[in-house]
Amino acid sequence: DAKTTQPNSMESNEEEPVHLPCNHSTISGTDYIHWYRQLPSQGPEYVIHGLTSNVNNRMASLAIAEDRKSSTLILHRATLRDAAVYYCGPRGFGNEKLTFGTGTRLTIIP
Amino acid sequence: DAGITQSPRHKVTETGTPVTLRCHQTENHRYMYWYRQDPGHGLRLIHYSYGVKDTDKGEVSDGYSVSRSKTEDFLLTLESATSSQTSVYFCAISVSTEYGYTFGSGTRLTVV
Repeated sequence: DAKTTQPNSMESNEEEPVHLPCNHSTISGTDYIHWYRQLPSQGPEYVIHGLTSNVNNRMASLAIAEDRKSSTLILHRATLRDAAVYYCGPRGFGNEKLTFGTGTRLTIIP
Repeated sequence: DAGITQSPRHKVTETGTPVTLRCHQTENHRYMYWYRQDPGHGLRLIHYSYGVKDTDKGEVSDGYSVSRSKTEDFLLTLESATSSQTSVYFCAISVSTEYGYTFGSGTRLTVV
C-alpha cells in the first residue's frame, strides 16, 4: 500500500492563500489523489480529487506534480472556517480503497 | 447530511462483549467503508464493501467482522471487544472511483 506523508501542522493568515502539501511517493499509476477536511467532532468532508491534471472546484484547487508523487491543496483565500485537519491520500482504482495520511492541522490567524 | 446514518452515536461496553455498529445509507451507493480514527494514527481502513455480500479487509481488520446483506446497510461487529478498540468509528459511502467519499458523523465507542 502507498505511504502518504503530510506536515503535522501549518498556520496561515486570514485572507491569504494556503498551500497544503502531500507526499505519496509510492502511488500507483491509476490511483486518484483525494483530499478531505475534518472539523472538530465531525466526520471528514470531501474537498477535491484528481488523477493527473490540476483540478479546481468551489472549495479549492489541487495541483498534482508531473510524476504524481506529490500534490498540493490550494485554498485561495483562507477564512476562519477553513481551520480544520486536512487529509490526503490515494484511492486505488479497482480495489477502491482510500488510504489516508495522518493529516495536517491548519490554523488560521485572524 | 447526504443520506448516511451511523448508529449508535455513542456506546460504552465492557471488555469481552460483542458489539455491532450500523451504517445505513439512502443513496444506493455501491461502495461502503468502515474506518477508525485514533490520535496520532489518523483514519485507518478496517473493512470495506463493493456490493451486497462482497467485502474485503483493510489495514486494521483483526478483531472485526462485517456484513452487508442489503445495499443500504453495512454492519461492523467487534466479536469480543478489547480496550484497544476504543476509538471513533466512521462509515463512508461512494458511488464510484470518479467521485469522493461521503462520511457519516461517527460512532464513539469506549471499551471499559
